[in-house]
Amino acid sequence: NAGVTQTPKFQVLKTGQSMTLQCAQDMNHNSMYWYRQDPGMGLRLIYYSASEGTTDKGEVPNGYNVSRLNKREFSLRLESAAPSQTSVYFCASSLITGGDTQYFGPGTRLTVL
Amino acid sequence: GENVEQHPSTLSVQEGDSAVIKCTYSDSASNYFPWYKQELGKRPQLIIDIRSNVGEKKDQRIAVTLNKTAKHFSLHITETQPEDSAVYFCAATTGFQKLVFGTGTRLLVSP
Repeated sequence: NAGVTQTPKFQVLKTGQSMTLQCAQDMNHNSMYWYRQDPGMGLRLIYYSASEGTTDKGEVPNGYNVSRLNKREFSLRLESAAPSQTSVYFCASSLITGGDTQYFGPGTRLTVL
Repeated sequence: GENVEQHPSTLSVQEGDSAVIKCTYSDSASNYFPWYKQELGKRPQLIIDIRSNVGEKKDQRIAVTLNKTAKHFSLHITETQPEDSAVYFCAATTGFQKLVFGTGTRLLVSP
């Protein structure tokens, strides 16, 4: 099993450009998450999907949109990138939301110039 | 909603010493408390977790304790080794809600 995979690994954007980060899991998990990690601020939840067909805002959703394409895939879109969105983005999945182990992808390092 | 505070933000120890990282949470309904380890440039990975019906859990050199009355839980690492150097995150949830993470503790174990 590949676990949780993310693409791309690295990306540089100019202010105002758009892009989509892709995430897939092969563990038959119901719940998927997008986090951003900034120095000294830990892991902050952007959006999550408790199950296929549902999405909910997390702590820092402004400037992002998500799509739960199917049970395996959960994408994160930046419509108009800003320098404040420079961060490392992690996708994660778990069998259920909340009281269950979350498995993280390898991360995407995004720089917005 | 839940709020998790984690201390200290950095911790330096000598190899063989013990390390303790503490977290407090705000929601008395929280009942699941995992700890994640993140090595430099890598993804976070679960190292141990505890549920509210248990006061302590051990796994080799790692232990977690939970005090529900005081709403705090701690990670204890004994006989630290250089490979324990990493950032450690605590988290809490009521079980049906999303996890809320602490801000992390950078542990440095010097040989």
